[in-house]
Amino acid sequence: GAGVSQSPSNKVTEKGKDVELRCDPISGHTALYWYRQSLGQGLEFLIYFQGNSAPDKSGLPSDRFSAERTGGSVSTLTIQRTQQEDSAVYLCASSLVGDRGSIQYFGAGTRLSVL
Amino acid sequence: GESVGLHLPTLSVQEGDNSIINCAYSNSASDYFIWYKQESGKGPQFIIDIRSNMDKRQGQRVTVLLNKTVKHLSLQIAATQPGDSAVYFCAESGGTSYGKLTFGQGTILTVHP
Repeated sequence: GAGVSQSPSNKVTEKGKDVELRCDPISGHTALYWYRQSLGQGLEFLIYFQGNSAPDKSGLPSDRFSAERTGGSVSTLTIQRTQQEDSAVYLCASSLVGDRGSIQYFGAGTRLSVL
Repeated sequence: GESVGLHLPTLSVQEGDNSIINCAYSNSASDYFIWYKQESGKGPQFIIDIRSNMDKRQGQRVTVLLNKTVKHLSLQIAATQPGDSAVYFCAESGGTSYGKLTFGQGTILTVHP
C-alpha cells in the first residue's frame, strides 16, 4: 500500500476486556515496529519484527501484551485484560530493513481508551 | 540508561523566522539520529536523519546538526511557516539496538502568522 495502515483508528473498551490492534506495513518492508505514545509523551518501543527472525519483545510492559506477524506482513498487537494505564496511542512503523539508517514510516495509530 | 531529551518543551515563532529545536542524548554508542514531525491526530512523519560520521545534513528548508562531543542534536527550520506547527521529536539508535528508536519527549512548535 501507499503507507502504513492501522485499524481501528479509535478503540474504546472496558477494563478487563481483550483488544486487538492491526497494522498493515508498507509493501516490501521487512521490518515492523510497535510503539506506544501516552498523552503528551514521546514514543515508547514495544516490539520489533524482522523477517523470519524471533521478535524482540523487550519493550512489552507486561505479559498481557503480545504481538504476531503473519506471513511477514500484517501484524496484530493483542492486549489482554486491559487496564486503564493501557490507554494510549499505539503506533506501528515499518522500514525496508531492520537496521539503523532504514527510515521507519509510521501509521496514524490506534487511540485506545480503557474505561 | 539510554535517554534522549529536549531542552525546550515549547517554541513559539513568527512566520518567516528561523526555528531551532534542540535535543540532547546520553548514549555515547548512538550512531544514527532522526527527526520526526507529528501533527495532531497523525503519526510521526520523517523529516531528516543523520549518521554519526556526519556533523551536518541539509534538506529542503531543514538542517540537522550533530555535535558528538557534547551529545547534542539540533533541527533548524528556515523561513518557518504556519504549516510547520507541530510536535517535533528527535530519536536515536545505536550499539546493539539495530533499528529500534529511542525517542525524546518532543517540542511543540507554534508558528504565528
